[in-house]
Amino acid sequence: NAGVTQTPKFRVLKTGQSMTLLCAQDMNHEYMYWYRQDPGMGLRLIHYSVGEGTTAKGEVPDGYNVSRLKKQNFLLGLESAAPSQTSVYFCASSGRLQSSYNEQFFGPGTRLTVL
Amino acid sequence: AQTVTQSQPEMSVQEAETVTLSCTYDTSESDYYLFWYKQPPSRQMILVIRQEAYKQQNATENRFSVNFQKAAKSFSLKISDSQLGDAAMYFCAYRSKDSGGSNYKLTFGKGTLLTVNP
Repeated sequence: NAGVTQTPKFRVLKTGQSMTLLCAQDMNHEYMYWYRQDPGMGLRLIHYSVGEGTTAKGEVPDGYNVSRLKKQNFLLGLESAAPSQTSVYFCASSGRLQSSYNEQFFGPGTRLTVL
Repeated sequence: AQTVTQSQPEMSVQEAETVTLSCTYDTSESDYYLFWYKQPPSRQMILVIRQEAYKQQNATENRFSVNFQKAAKSFSLKISDSQLGDAAMYFCAYRSKDSGGSNYKLTFGKGTLLTVNP
């Protein structure tokens, strides 16, 4: 069981470039999330998905798009990267909300630098 | 909207001693979940302990325990017999139980960086 995996682990982009971050989970979880972590800010929710084919906006969605074509994968896209998107990105997944606690399991993170 | 406040940006403790990290939250709900996550230098987010609001008994996981004061909206984490491996950033998080609202979402505090001195 790999849990939640993210690719790539590190990436450097130039302003205006695009890229996609891939998150995969092998726990058959319904819910998946993308967070960003900035110094002194904690983790903030970018987008989330409650199931295959569905996505919704979180707290800080501007400049990002997501897709969930398969239950196990959740993609985060940056169409035109900006320096303000320099951050560490975490993916997480969790089971049905009816389950106790609905604990979120996190991936190892992707450090993205936009020059 | 719920908010989570960690008032101690940094804390330090001597190895083998006890340290308490503070967390307060603001909510109008009566039932919810609270969590403490640990983030070591590896960046991996690790769940340390969790508490359900309607349970009055404080949660305990080995050397980690919480002091949950519902009326005061306080959820502090106590680490006993601190070890070098406890050095990390610690985040407090809140999740609603409201089925009609944002019960999917974790709201995080800004974190407390814990240093363990040998």
